Amino acid sequence: EAQVTQNPRYLITVTGKKLTVTCSQNMNHEYMSWYRQDPGLGLRQIYYSMNVEVTDKGDVPEGYKVSRKEKRNFPLILESPSPNQTSLYFCASSLSRLLRPGNTGELFFGEGSRLTVL
Amino acid sequence: DQQVKQNSPSLSVQEGRISILNCDYTNSMFDYFLWYKKYPAEGPTFLISISSIKDKNEDGRFTVFLNKSAKHLSLHIVPSQPGDSAVYFCAASLKGGSQGNLIFGKGTKLSVKP
Repeated sequence: EAQVTQNPRYLITVTGKKLTVTCSQNMNHEYMSWYRQDPGLGLRQIYYSMNVEVTDKGDVPEGYKVSRKEKRNFPLILESPSPNQTSLYFCASSLSRLLRPGNTGELFFGEGSRLTVL
Repeated sequence: DQQVKQNSPSLSVQEGRISILNCDYTNSMFDYFLWYKKYPAEGPTFLISISSIKDKNEDGRFTVFLNKSAKHLSLHIVPSQPGDSAVYFCAASLKGGSQGNLIFGKGTKLSVKP
């Protein structure tokens, strides 16, 4: 089954304790991205990757790191989590980095990881 | 400054009637638009998209209309069904078409009452 898998789905942690949210896709997708969803703010992009070893900042990258060593994996790293990083996080992937007529540009999202930082 | 705006946080519609969800944008360089649907405890799923070279795209009960002069797009669901109850996100991409430039609105929660 084609899917984007995130782990953990739920996590409660404390300020300053490093954590990693893993993301893996089995569709051989070129493009991957991380978003956070907060009440009243919608979906905001944290980081994205156009291909292996190519990553770039989205709208809200502060406090996060990513890496893309393999095509299928795109982990999100919080080196020193803070309470303002309490959020619902989504990983997404797409076949192509380019949006064109005929290519719907569909993003496939994971089920989300709810993170609470105390 | 918010470039993609969904001004209605919520919408309630009777089953069988039309649902119209609206989205406005400010950047004239956007040239590709997408709608995503999100159920609670699930990730968003792609619904329908439209390129700026078109003014309408239809897929079953879902139709997206694009009015470039007004910088406005709308999603029509006809007829609405209770299973359509979800949060709908509008998203836009800058000219040159890269996923890296995808910008989402804040979402509209649709409730379809039986």
